[in-house]
Amino acid sequence: EPEVTQTPSHQVTQMGQEVILRCVPISNHLYFYWYRQILGQKVEFLVSFYNNEISEKSEIFDDQFSVERPDGSNFTLKIRSTKLEDSAMYFCASSRRGSGGYTFGSGTRLTVV
Amino acid sequence: TQLLEQSPQFLSIQEGENLTVYCNSSSVFSSLQWYRQEPGEGPVLLVTVVTGGEVKKLKRLTFQFGDARKDSSLHITAAQPGDTGLYLCAGNFGNEKLTFGTGTRLTIIP
Repeated sequence: EPEVTQTPSHQVTQMGQEVILRCVPISNHLYFYWYRQILGQKVEFLVSFYNNEISEKSEIFDDQFSVERPDGSNFTLKIRSTKLEDSAMYFCASSRRGSGGYTFGSGTRLTVV
Repeated sequence: TQLLEQSPQFLSIQEGENLTVYCNSSSVFSSLQWYRQEPGEGPVLLVTVVTGGEVKKLKRLTFQFGDARKDSSLHITAAQPGDTGLYLCAGNFGNEKLTFGTGTRLTIIP
């Protein structure tokens, strides 16, 4: 069964450093997403991406965040200057349509120290 | 801001029993999904429902979407220890953003 692949699985970074989280969505999917889950809390929407541009973003997705699809297969989330409160599981997801079933990756656990 | 409430938050039952968990919203869903999430993993899609009154079955799991498309239930028949996990409902409200509930943590006791 096709999978969404995320790397790395764990990332520890110092506060103020930049991190790039990587995702390979399912190949025939057109919509791409980043979600995050702070420990013990709900899964929260960050951003959706379609046709090489952001289609929707949440209030969490401020200027320190950016997304990119640098080639035909990768989808990245960059956090420019990490804060302690950015520590969370970050999930990439993709879907063929803009709503309905999404396939999530296994996540990257980001720890900011 | 749309909110999804799931109940109960925790449920612990004996193997072989039946159970129902619920998902409610004050807003109308354009589509609703149920996911299961294991510790340290991403949510795994179980089902998507889009039509009011829709019922879908997945082996011993029965998913129902309310007629008004504001609520949904997940019923498990003859629960097994392998059903243990966190069950999440999540919905679209006319856009791509998926709003998640806080989940029901289910434990099946052998």
